[in-house]
Amino acid sequence: GENVEQHPSTLSVQEGDSAVIKCTYSDSASNYFPWYKQELGKRPQLIIDIRSNVGEKKDQRIAVTLNKTAKHFSLHITETQPEDSAVYFCAASLTGGGNKLTFGTGTQLKVEL
Amino acid sequence: DTGVSQDPRHKITKRGQNVTFRCDPISEHNRLYWYRQTLGQGPEFLTYFQNEAQLEKSRLLSDRFSAERPKGSFSTLEIQRTEQGDSAMYLCASSPQGNIQYFGAGTRLSVL
Repeated sequence: GENVEQHPSTLSVQEGDSAVIKCTYSDSASNYFPWYKQELGKRPQLIIDIRSNVGEKKDQRIAVTLNKTAKHFSLHITETQPEDSAVYFCAASLTGGGNKLTFGTGTQLKVEL
Repeated sequence: DTGVSQDPRHKITKRGQNVTFRCDPISEHNRLYWYRQTLGQGPEFLTYFQNEAQLEKSRLLSDRFSAERPKGSFSTLEIQRTEQGDSAMYLCASSPQGNIQYFGAGTRLSVL
């Protein structure tokens, strides 16, 4: 089955700096890669996703890049703000395989003033 | 709030008791998923429904676990003879046909 690894497990940045979180996946058939943000005690919220026919996607301060050959994908947050502090999870799934998500272990992002 | 709702939010039970959780998906979402999340980990897939049909179960779902989705609307997840290792956050997600899954806030289970 699919295996997703996520790094780093914790990340501390100064407000206004950029943050990058990286994930690798094992199943080359996976074709959908969402990123979720989870604040303490709250539901995981989808912040951005990318499909395997696209190499990069951007939404305001957030961008995701995908390298299918290397089976890597990354989340980039620019101009970080204190409200970006949360746990971020990457995931992978295969359309047609029930779309079940396989998650990474999460990155605790702390944006310091 | 018209999102995915789960009930109860917290459940404390004694080892050996049975517990049941409920999930109400977003209206007209035909797919419903259950995940389990332990501290410091990402959610792990348990099972999913396409309408009322349960199409896949993870090996994590032992025979003490059962899930139903009668009439293809809300779903219940029952754990029989709970064990301390069942303590976790149980998350429900729903999806229209396609990939995007919307999560509920979860039910936190503590087995004493």
